[in-house]
Formats: sequence, structure tokens, C-alpha cells
Amino acid sequence: QVQLVQSGAEVKKPGASVKVSCKASGYTFTGYYIHWVRQAPGQGLEWMGRVNPNSGGTNYAQKFQGRVTMTRDTSISTAYMELNRLRSDDTVVYYCARSGDFGEFYYWGQGTLVTVSS
Amino acid sequence: EIVLTQSPGTLSLSPGERATLSCRASQSVSSSYLAWYQQKAGQAPRLLIYGASSRATGIPDRFSGSGSGTDFTLTISRLEPEDFAVYYCQQYGSSPPYTFGQGTKLEIK
Repeated sequence: QVQLVQSGAEVKKPGASVKVSCKASGYTFTGYYIHWVRQAPGQGLEWMGRVNPNSGGTNYAQKFQGRVTMTRDTSISTAYMELNRLRSDDTVVYYCARSGDFGEFYYWGQGTLVTVSS
Repeated sequence: EIVLTQSPGTLSLSPGERATLSCRASQSVSSSYLAWYQQKAGQAPRLLIYGASSRATGIPDRFSGSGSGTDFTLTISRLEPEDFAVYYCQQYGSSPPYTFGQGTKLEIK
């Protein structure tokens, strides 16, 4: 069965960087986009961007352009999201999600809480 | 960027009742690339509906989606206790950015 398993919670200082991983299993990793979505405590869902595991091509939400990098390692079926210059309002849960056959976000990771605090 | 506006913000109903949730887009959503997700506290979102009206695998048939263009609806025919959660609509058209609505909280009356 399809599974996306994310790395564990992180605590970072303002200005630092964080890299969250998303390990995929149960399907051909290069066949579907991996998206990254974040959610602040008690708030809604915010799309950050996506990576094409086959080509490595990326699309980022304008809000995160210049601060986020999404990559993948096909040898270990893992996608990564790195966010730089962290601020307190980056204290959110980050989710990876795999697209379905029509682009919908069919499968989701369990989420990774990143806390930014001095 | 397509903005999705969900209404109501909170819906208070009793088990057994019918729930109707609305999602309105600021511009037409191409090819009905509109999805609905359910999220319970402390959990990742779960896909319910895609393509505006297709149920995801394992989703009970009391959940149904309808609409096209700029107006979409999620209907839960008879509420079960486990249906009380937050629901989000999302558009995932031909090109990004992909946007979510702000959510509707379905609470027990």
C-alpha cells in the first residue's frame, strides 16, 4: 500500500534552515508529483510547492520563492523540502502529499512539526 | 491565483441530519479539478472527493460532491458521529498554484 513517512519534529532558531524528508513506498516513486503543504496551529492548509520526482522539476508558491527548495533522491524514494531563513511564523506542521492520477492529493504523510524559537 | 471561499465557517448539526457545505471559486476551476478533504484534530487531511464528484477509495456513499465552474458543494446525506471534523475544498487545475479554501468546521449541535 502507498505510504509516505516523514521525518520527525524539529526545533530551530530564527534564521536557521530546516530540511524535512518524505519517504515513499508502495508505488513507483517517479510516477507522481510530491507536494508540500503546511498548516499553522488551528489554521487552514497552505500549498507550498511541488517536485516532479522523475525530472526533479519544481514549482513553488510565490510566497516561498527564494526561501524554499524541494528536491528528491530517487535511489531511496525520498523527497525533501528545505526552508531557509526561518521565522517564528514558520512554526507549523509540514505535510507531504502524493498526487493521484488526476492531480488530486490522494496520499498524505503524517506531518512534521517544525518549531521556530529562540 | 484562484481564491476559494467556503461557507459556512461553522456548521452545527446533529447526527442523522444532512450537511451541505459550499465552496465558491474566484474564477472557473478547469475541468472540475476540485477536491474535498476531511481533517480531524491531530491528523493529516484525507481525500474524500476529487474531480468535483468522484469519491476516493473507501469513502462511504453518504459523501457526495457536485458543482462546476465556480460553485461546488459537498453533501453528507446522514451524519455519523465520525463525520464531525473540518472540511476543506481545493482546486488543483492544470497549473499551480493550487489553493485551498479556509475550511468549514462541522460540529455536533
